[in-house]
Amino acid sequence: KQEVTQIPAALSVPEGENLVLNCSFTDSAIYNLQWFRQDPGKGLTSLLLIQSSQREQTSGRLNASLDKSSGRSTLYIAASQPGDSATYLCAVYNTNAGKSTFGDGTTLTVKP
Amino acid sequence: KAGVTQTPRYLIKTRGQQVTLSCSPISGHRSVSWYQQTPGQGLQFLFEYFSETQRNKGNFPGRFSGRQFSNSRSEMNVSTLELGDSALYLCASSLGTPDNYGYTFGSGTRLTVV
Repeated sequence: KQEVTQIPAALSVPEGENLVLNCSFTDSAIYNLQWFRQDPGKGLTSLLLIQSSQREQTSGRLNASLDKSSGRSTLYIAASQPGDSATYLCAVYNTNAGKSTFGDGTTLTVKP
Repeated sequence: KAGVTQTPRYLIKTRGQQVTLSCSPISGHRSVSWYQQTPGQGLQFLFEYFSETQRNKGNFPGRFSGRQFSNSRSEMNVSTLELGDSALYLCASSLGTPDNYGYTFGSGTRLTVV
């Protein structure tokens, strides 16, 4: 059974800082890994999708990496802004399960 | 381009009643998946439909059911509501199957059972 862990559970940083969010998973038989952000009471917004054959994806100030063999992914946020404050979730789509397994998320607060 | 639309946004129901939630995927998307989000359990997979066929099903009781129509719109039904069914229900659509295209989520339906 796939287990997805996100550490830390919460993170507070000053504006402008570069930061890294971590995601680890136990079963490397995956199709893809997807990073989302969720604002309070809202749905999930997709940030980056990495296929299992890829090592990283970039979008603007965001860069996500995937190391399938070690079961790890990182989301790098450059020059953080108060508008980046949200909960960030990673989800792993398993080959045999036919679904994604989500981590519990990292709640990020960026202070002005 | 319109995103994934879920209706209604909020619902309050009484224990024992049934409820139907609706999801309209992005135009051209053929797969619709449903997830339940609660503070205690996080995001849990309910089911996925592709071209009107249920492709995968999560570990939920038979009170939870769904269907997909020929225009890819999907509905989820919960019968005999229990207090523990209170949750944010999220629908996600994919251009093809989610293993290749990932998910685009809607804003969710907040269901409160009293």
